[in-house]
Amino acid sequence: GAVVSQHPSWVICKSGTSVKIECRSLDFQATTMFWYRQFPKQSLMLMATSNEGSKATYEQGVEKDKFLINHASLTLSTLTVTSAHPEDSSFYICSARFTGELFFGEGSRLTVL
Amino acid sequence: GENVEQHPSTLSVQEGDSAVIKCTYSDSASNYFPWYKQELGKRPQLIIDIRSNVGEKKDQRIAVTLNKTAKHFSLHITETQPEDSAVYFCAASKWWEGKLIFGQGTELSVKP
Repeated sequence: GAVVSQHPSWVICKSGTSVKIECRSLDFQATTMFWYRQFPKQSLMLMATSNEGSKATYEQGVEKDKFLINHASLTLSTLTVTSAHPEDSSFYICSARFTGELFFGEGSRLTVL
Repeated sequence: GENVEQHPSTLSVQEGDSAVIKCTYSDSASNYFPWYKQELGKRPQLIIDIRSNVGEKKDQRIAVTLNKTAKHFSLHITETQPEDSAVYFCAASKWWEGKLIFGQGTELSVKP
């Protein structure tokens, strides 16, 4: 199947700093990628749809100024958590669709101290 | 928007028994319903999916049924094995959108 890779797989940062997470489609081009957040023992919550060459579409309740999404190429979308706080600590997962199936990245675990 | 409800939140069965997980969705325009298995700290893995033009789909020990009228769909796992233990998520989407709305998840425990 298609491969979606995320980096970093885990990151620890201090409160107030910004963290960038990358999502790459390794063997296919993805004009659209999706970003999810998952708190411990909870479901995956859709944050936003990342569109190559245009602005991301954010779900209701997601702060677009806090979670900056850039999809500058057909194989790379980035999520930047700006001015991170402890409540932003979570598992962030991206996904991209290839031949109709959604493939997920490995996930990035963010811990904000 | 779409809302997906999943039950039960936890399910414990004996090895060899069957397990059933149920989901309901709210948006009648949704037409794609995948099921994912997620192990702790790992990415979700697609185990089976069904589109709205089909009422049932089976793949070895796993089957999914869909009732469009009632807007609910179910996952059936037969002859469960300890390695089936994981968290299972249902999801719904409009095929052309691609974005998935997930249920709350079911933690399945298969006891040897």
